[in-house]
Amino acid sequence: AQSVTQPDIHITVSEGASLELRCNYSYGATPYLFWYVQSPGQGLQLLLKYFSGDTLVQGIKGFEAEFKRSQSSFNLRKPSVHWSDAAEYFCAVGPYNYGQNFVFGPGTRLSVLP
Amino acid sequence: EAGVAQSPRYKIIEKRQSVAFWCNPISGHATLYWYQQILGQGPKLLIQFQNNGVVDDSQLPKDRFSAERLKGVDSTLKIQPAKLEDSAVYLCASSPPSGIQETQYFGPGTRLLVL
Repeated sequence: AQSVTQPDIHITVSEGASLELRCNYSYGATPYLFWYVQSPGQGLQLLLKYFSGDTLVQGIKGFEAEFKRSQSSFNLRKPSVHWSDAAEYFCAVGPYNYGQNFVFGPGTRLSVLP
Repeated sequence: EAGVAQSPRYKIIEKRQSVAFWCNPISGHATLYWYQQILGQGPKLLIQFQNNGVVDDSQLPKDRFSAERLKGVDSTLKIQPAKLEDSAVYLCASSPPSGIQETQYFGPGTRLLVL
């Protein structure tokens, strides 16, 4: 069964600093990978997704993620963090066959220091 | 384009009571999902509908949870009777009928507290 791990429960960075959130997956085939962001009291918003092709994916709000098959990773990055980026970030793997589910990681909470 | 609508936004009940949540997906979206998100965890899929048929409900606690999607549009998730461990945010999501890899669009969620 597919699974997703996010090793960092909580990360704190200073505003303007760079950010990398880690995501590792376990999957039996080419994965379909997603990053979502959840602000307090809100639903999940899609940041970016990877289906195939270029392994570096650009998303909204200046985020990007790189798919590395050899490391089973799909890390999220941003070169300069803004205070409004403080939120919970979820990595997810999507199904490649009917009958399988989307599986979300446990999330990484990002705090931003002024 | 209107997003996924959910109501109520908040609900407080006592254990053993019943509760129902409503979701209206984005117009034209054939697939609808209900997730349970316990505090500090990622969302867990409870049930997935394709139009008005159930695709997957393997993680739905069927002794107390039920869901329906009449007419293939909006959906209702019910808990009866509620337990303390049902305290969570219940998220509804929908996706267009283009394939299984389609992006899910989430509603704001219903936050349930069971006392």
